[in-house]
Amino acid sequence: NAGVTQTPKFRVLKTGQSMTLLCAQDMNHEYMYWYRQDPGMGLRLIHYSVGEGTTAKGEVPDGYNVSRLKKQNFLLGLESAAPSQTSVYFCASSRLEGFGQPQHFGDGTRLSIL
Amino acid sequence: RKEVEQDPGPFNVPEGATVAFNCTYSNSASQSFFWYRQDCRKEPKLLMSVYSSGNEDGRFTAQLNRASQYISLLIRDSKLSDSATYLCVGALNAGNNRKLIWGLGTSLAVNP
Repeated sequence: NAGVTQTPKFRVLKTGQSMTLLCAQDMNHEYMYWYRQDPGMGLRLIHYSVGEGTTAKGEVPDGYNVSRLKKQNFLLGLESAAPSQTSVYFCASSRLEGFGQPQHFGDGTRLSIL
Repeated sequence: RKEVEQDPGPFNVPEGATVAFNCTYSNSASQSFFWYRQDCRKEPKLLMSVYSSGNEDGRFTAQLNRASQYISLLIRDSKLSDSATYLCVGALNAGNNRKLIWGLGTSLAVNP
């Protein structure tokens, strides 16, 4: 049982490049989330989804886009990467009524923007 | 004031010690709480859920005090493997205000 899988695990980009981070979960969870974690800032929610075909903005959505075309996948896109987006990105999922339910995390993507 | 506040530590304790962390929250509408542990450069993992007054799981006890707006985590008989950062999380599910509020974490080092 894989749980939540993130790809890639590491990536280095140049400023202005674009990329997509993929998150896949096999637990049939309705809710999925993208966070970033920076030193001294804690976990901050970028975007989330409450079901297939839906997305919503979190705390720090600027510079990111997301899509949830299939229930098991949640994609995070950076259209034009900036050094301020250097961070560790975590995807998570939870059952229905997600904000009151525990979240299951992927093991993270370490992204550096030069 | 942060919505969820934790003492960042570090807490340095010997093996076998009992250690307690507190987490205070400012939004009285927070309905449920969680403790996650996060090892260095790893993802957060759920340790305990706290939906009412408290919860106990082996060496770990979490208590919720709604009157004083704090959650505590007690670890008994500390093991070296308990060394990690412990994140306190509050869940708001009030109408259009639905979110998780993450603390910055408390660092614990258990020493031999």
